Amino acid sequence: AQSVSQHNHHVILSEAASLELGCNYSYGGTVNLFWYVQYPGQHLQLLLKYFSGDPLVKGIKGFEAEFIKSKFSFNLRKPSVQWSDTAEYFCAVSPLSSNTGKLIFGQGTTLQVKP
Amino acid sequence: DTGVSQDPRHKITKRGQNVTFRCDPISEHNRLYWYRQTLGQGPEFLTYFQNEAQLEKSRLLSDRFSAERPKGSFSTLEIQRTEQGDSAMYLCASSSPRDLNTGELFFGEGSRLTVL
Repeated sequence: AQSVSQHNHHVILSEAASLELGCNYSYGGTVNLFWYVQYPGQHLQLLLKYFSGDPLVKGIKGFEAEFIKSKFSFNLRKPSVQWSDTAEYFCAVSPLSSNTGKLIFGQGTTLQVKP
Repeated sequence: DTGVSQDPRHKITKRGQNVTFRCDPISEHNRLYWYRQTLGQGPEFLTYFQNEAQLEKSRLLSDRFSAERPKGSFSTLEIQRTEQGDSAMYLCASSSPRDLNTGELFFGEGSRLTVL
């Protein structure tokens, strides 16, 4: 079955620390990959996406992610986090073969940044 | 606000009652999705519409659940004979035909259901 696994459930960092959140998926075909963020009390918002081309993609607010096809991974990174990055982060995949556009989400990582 | 809107934002009901949630997608978005999210989990796909046609339903969607999108615009999700296990956040998302290849979904703020 298609699945998405996020390595860390809860991460606590101090401001200015570097961030890396792991994401692996199990699907043999071509996929689009996404990271969504949910700030407290807000709706899910797109951080960044990969669908083709350069495997290193840059998103909003200084986030980036690298698609490593051989490892089925799409890890999220930020060199220096801010208190305002406190949120829940979700990795998601969309198998192109399904042609529905539906997303399969990981269980999420809660990031807490201490000022 | 021209985003996806959902109503009501919160619903508390007693076990056995029926509830209905409404989703208004972004104008001209032809695809609409319903997801369910429980505490500590990521959103789980429930069902998907392209225009008014319901094209896919998850096994999570028991026969107590029904969704409609009668005119290809807003959608409703009804849960009959609610159970405590139905307590969750119900999320609606939509996507544009222009985003068919990149697949970005735009989410509403969700409708939180509590079944007592």
